[in-house]
Amino acid sequence: NAGVMQNPRHLVRRRGQEARLRCSPMKGHSHVYWYRQLPEEGLKFMVYLQKENIIDESGMPKERFSAEFPKEGPSILRIQQVVRGDSAAYFCASSPKAGELFFGEGSRLTVL
Amino acid sequence: AQTVTQSQPEMSVQEAETVTLSCTYDTSESDYYLFWYKQPPSRQMILVIRQEAYKQQNATENRFSVNFQKAAKSFSLKISDSQLGDAAMYFCAYRSDSSGTYKYIFGTGTRLKVLA
Repeated sequence: NAGVMQNPRHLVRRRGQEARLRCSPMKGHSHVYWYRQLPEEGLKFMVYLQKENIIDESGMPKERFSAEFPKEGPSILRIQQVVRGDSAAYFCASSPKAGELFFGEGSRLTVL
Repeated sequence: AQTVTQSQPEMSVQEAETVTLSCTYDTSESDYYLFWYKQPPSRQMILVIRQEAYKQQNATENRFSVNFQKAAKSFSLKISDSQLGDAAMYFCAYRSDSSGTYKYIFGTGTRLKVLA
């Protein structure tokens, strides 16, 4: 059973470009979470999704950030018009309905 | 809103010794889970141990055990016989089960150094 798969592992963008981060949850997991980690800091909750539904997006900036988890395919975290402050590691995690989080290896975004 | 506090930004322990990492949380809910995750330099988040709030018995996983004090809202992690490979960031996490959604709240982490 493959773990949570995130890609790309590393992404470099220039200011103003778009970043798309993908996450395939573990097989059988219907809950997906996105977290952001700034250097030397903890994990900040961004958004929690189930298939085709956003359950809680209270941690996501109102502008430029969006997330989806379509019926088919991976979950996507999209950041439009990136700024230097968006540089961080973005972690995706999945869980079955009642269980612990299983994390991907993270996607490190660098904005030049 | 629920909060998780880790008051020790950094801890050190001698190899083979025991260390305890502190975690407190604030909640008004009765059903929840608590977790400790480890993040080594590779940055992969690894589950160390979990505790269901309804269980009075403290969880144990090999050299890792917790001291769960529900009334005090305290959830400390004890690492026995510390090894060099235990060096990592450790995050305490809370998950509520009361609202039907499963949002995880993380503390700010404790960096553990293991001295040879």
